[in-house]
Amino acid sequence: TQLLEQSPQFLSIQEGENLTVYCNSSSVFSSLQWYRQEPGEGPVLLVTVVTGGEVKKLKRLTFQFGDARKDSSLHITAAQPGDTGLYLCAGLGNAGGTSYGKLTFGQGTILTVHP
Amino acid sequence: SAVISQKPSRDICQRGTSLTIQCQVDSQVTMMFWYRQQPGQSLTLIATANQGSEATYESGFVIDKFPISRPNLTFSTLTVSNMSPEDSSIYLCSVEKTGLGLSFGSGTRLTVV
Repeated sequence: TQLLEQSPQFLSIQEGENLTVYCNSSSVFSSLQWYRQEPGEGPVLLVTVVTGGEVKKLKRLTFQFGDARKDSSLHITAAQPGDTGLYLCAGLGNAGGTSYGKLTFGQGTILTVHP
Repeated sequence: SAVISQKPSRDICQRGTSLTIQCQVDSQVTMMFWYRQQPGQSLTLIATANQGSEATYESGFVIDKFPISRPNLTFSTLTVSNMSPEDSSIYLCSVEKTGLGLSFGSGTRLTVV
């Protein structure tokens, strides 16, 4: 069973601060996704990283996939109250098959950005 | 990307009863996925629903407790049967976004009293 350890579980910061969320595993993933979820809504896909060492930027969000494809990070620069939500990493196993229904989700990070 | 309509959005149910959750997608999809999520927590895959065949259940989930229907390529239902307070959770349906990840419905928040 593949596990994704996500940290921190909770993060409460002031507007303008920077933050990093980590997602680690002992298993190799063929790709990794990051989702953001707001209360009363389903998760929304932010990014998919596929190549080891890959870095993707989405405005103030920077996503990195580890060289060994076992870990990933999400860095937010100058956080805004609108960034508040639950952030989830999810990995697709390396054991074959391409169905994203077989994603392994991390435990999630609840981010609160205070004005 | 696919638009997913899920209903009901929330419900409060008596223990021992059953609730059927509906999921409608605006395009034809091969597989639909049902997840359970404890509030503020991660997602656990319940089962994969394929049109024309029985759903495939993950470890810890059984058809008698979570029967699934998939009558066509745009619709699926999940029933939570003989509910207990431990079934209180958010239930989400999802479909794959063409090789990129998953699109989710807005979820059904179930409270069993």
